[in-house]
Amino acid sequence: GAGVSQSPSNKVTEKGKDVELRCDPISGHTALYWYRQSLGQGLEFLIYFQGNSAPDKSGLPSDRFSAERTGGSVSTLTIQRTQQEDSAVYLCASSSITVSDTQYFGPGTRLTVL
Amino acid sequence: AQSVTQLDSHVSVSEGTPVLLRCNYSSSYSPSLFWYVQHPNKGLQLLLKYTSAATLVKGINGFEAEFKKSETSFHLTKPSAHMSDAAEYFCVVRKRNRDDKIIFGKGTRLHILP
Repeated sequence: GAGVSQSPSNKVTEKGKDVELRCDPISGHTALYWYRQSLGQGLEFLIYFQGNSAPDKSGLPSDRFSAERTGGSVSTLTIQRTQQEDSAVYLCASSSITVSDTQYFGPGTRLTVL
Repeated sequence: AQSVTQLDSHVSVSEGTPVLLRCNYSSSYSPSLFWYVQHPNKGLQLLLKYTSAATLVKGINGFEAEFKKSETSFHLTKPSAHMSDAAEYFCVVRKRNRDDKIIFGKGTRLHILP
């Protein structure tokens, strides 16, 4: 079946503009994660959605970052008033709720803020 | 609270020699533990996972990891390194049987010397 998809694959924007990044998880996966990976760095957790529970937003770096998950499926990560330090690859992953769940990662969106 | 520590940010080994990537975890509950690999310009891929069955877990590409509760460790090993093993490796922990976010380590970059 289809894996996790993300769009766009690349996004170049000017400092101060808003951007929206989209994630389509694997059908039936109740958990959805957003991570950020800066050049040469590990994965930085941003936000976690699990079913209908309130999302865990503890990783969002500032109030310029927000995310929604509509209908328990597609998620959108929004970055307002982008800054150059926001440049990174933004990764989305989904997993099922079973005991032995595994995260399946999307290909990522490479964001470049000029 | 959960946490995971990858003790080395970079590891260099010669081709044909053993690989050891170290990971220690902290968890209030019996954890599930994973290793993911990220090759240059590629997506994250699950290498292996421990979820309470055998403490020695075998993964893809000849890698294995041993869960040692007394040492709170989950080190990744391979008897003989290959050039294609050069990549970044991430140790991951999550609570088992609970809804909770997954915690990534900061990663270990493995260099293979010819």
